[in-house]
Amino acid sequence: NAGVTQTPKFQVLKTGQSMTLQCAQDMNHEYMSWYRQDPGMGLRLIHYSVGAGITDQGEVPNGYNVSRSTTEDFPLRLLSAAPSQTSVYFCASSQHAPGGSISYEQYFGPGTRLTVT
Amino acid sequence: KNEVEQSPQNLTAQEGEFITINCSYSVGISALHWLQQHPGGGIVSLFMLSSGKKKHGRLIATINIQEKHSSLHITASHPRDSAVYICAVLPGTASKLTFGTGTRLQVTL
Repeated sequence: NAGVTQTPKFQVLKTGQSMTLQCAQDMNHEYMSWYRQDPGMGLRLIHYSVGAGITDQGEVPNGYNVSRSTTEDFPLRLLSAAPSQTSVYFCASSQHAPGGSISYEQYFGPGTRLTVT
Repeated sequence: KNEVEQSPQNLTAQEGEFITINCSYSVGISALHWLQQHPGGGIVSLFMLSSGKKKHGRLIATINIQEKHSSLHITASHPRDSAVYICAVLPGTASKLTFGTGTRLQVTL
């Protein structure tokens, strides 16, 4: 199994450009999520999905869109990049969504380092 | 104040030392995760626990639910243990994890 894969590994954008960060998993996990990691802050949830066709917002969703047309893929779209979106982005998956007093082991992709100038 | 606080923020140890990293949280939780982030950036899950203690190789994780505190111990530390260690909790009524800011560990020869 490849686990969770992300592309690209690095990306530089100009302000106002759009792009899609790709995320795929081959573990048949229901739950997928996108986080951003900024210096001095913990990972923050951008968007998540509990299954194909179902997505929801996390704590920092503004400026990002997601879709989940298949179980395997969960792309993150930046609509109009801003310097505040300079960050490292991680995609993660787990067997099921956390909640109901149950958590699940999280599997993370290698990350995408995005710089917006 | 963050819901999840880790200490210390930075830690330098010599090879062979016993290391303890602490995680305190302010809310009731269902589960706590310990994660490791290597210098290359990848994040891997080390432990998930809701009570007691778990051991894997040289790593031991403990949790005291009443004290709202967890510790990650590394015995006989090695330079390859150099990484950022991240604590994350699932608050009892929540459906998302809350992450600490991490403890950066450097183990030198």
